Amino acid sequence: GAVVSQHPSWVICKSGTSVKIECRSLDFQATTMFWYRQFPKQSLMLMATSNEGSKATYEQGVEKDKFLINHASLTLSTLTVTSAHPEDSSFYICSARGGQEQFFGPGTRLTVL
Amino acid sequence: GENVEQHPSTLSVQEGDSAVIKCTYSDSASNYFPWYKQELGKRPQLIIDIRSNVGEKKDQRIAVTLNKTAKHFSLHITETQPEDSAVYFCAAMRGAQKLVFGQGTRLTINP
Repeated sequence: GAVVSQHPSWVICKSGTSVKIECRSLDFQATTMFWYRQFPKQSLMLMATSNEGSKATYEQGVEKDKFLINHASLTLSTLTVTSAHPEDSSFYICSARGGQEQFFGPGTRLTVL
Repeated sequence: GENVEQHPSTLSVQEGDSAVIKCTYSDSASNYFPWYKQELGKRPQLIIDIRSNVGEKKDQRIAVTLNKTAKHFSLHITETQPEDSAVYFCAAMRGAQKLVFGQGTRLTINP
């Protein structure tokens, strides 16, 4: 199947700082990428849909000013957690769509101190 | 919008036995139903999927059945092995829209 990478795999930051997470489709072009958040022992919660060349579509309850998404090319989408706080600590996973299938990145574990 | 319910939340079976996980969906227009396996701290991996024009699909020890009338689909794992232990998620999607996930099932295979 298609390969999606995510960087970094883990990050620890201080409260109030911003963190950028990259999601890349390595062997295919993805006009649409998705960002999920997953708490321990819970399902994947869709945060936003990232469309190449246009604004992201955020799910209800997700603060667009806090979780900035940029999809500047067909192979790269970024999620920036601005002014991070301990409650933002979570496992963030991206996926890229190829046809109807979605291919997931390995995830980024964010810990905010 | 679409809503997917998954049961059971936990499932424990003896090695060699079969495991069945069931999901129901609400949007009759959903036409793509994938199943993902997620090991601790890792990405969800697609293990099998089915489209609405098919009632059953099998891949070695794994099979998925779909009942469009009742709006439910099931994952069947036969001859379970310890490496099958993981969290399994079902999902449903309509056309090229977003995936809606079930709550997940933690499957434990007892040796």
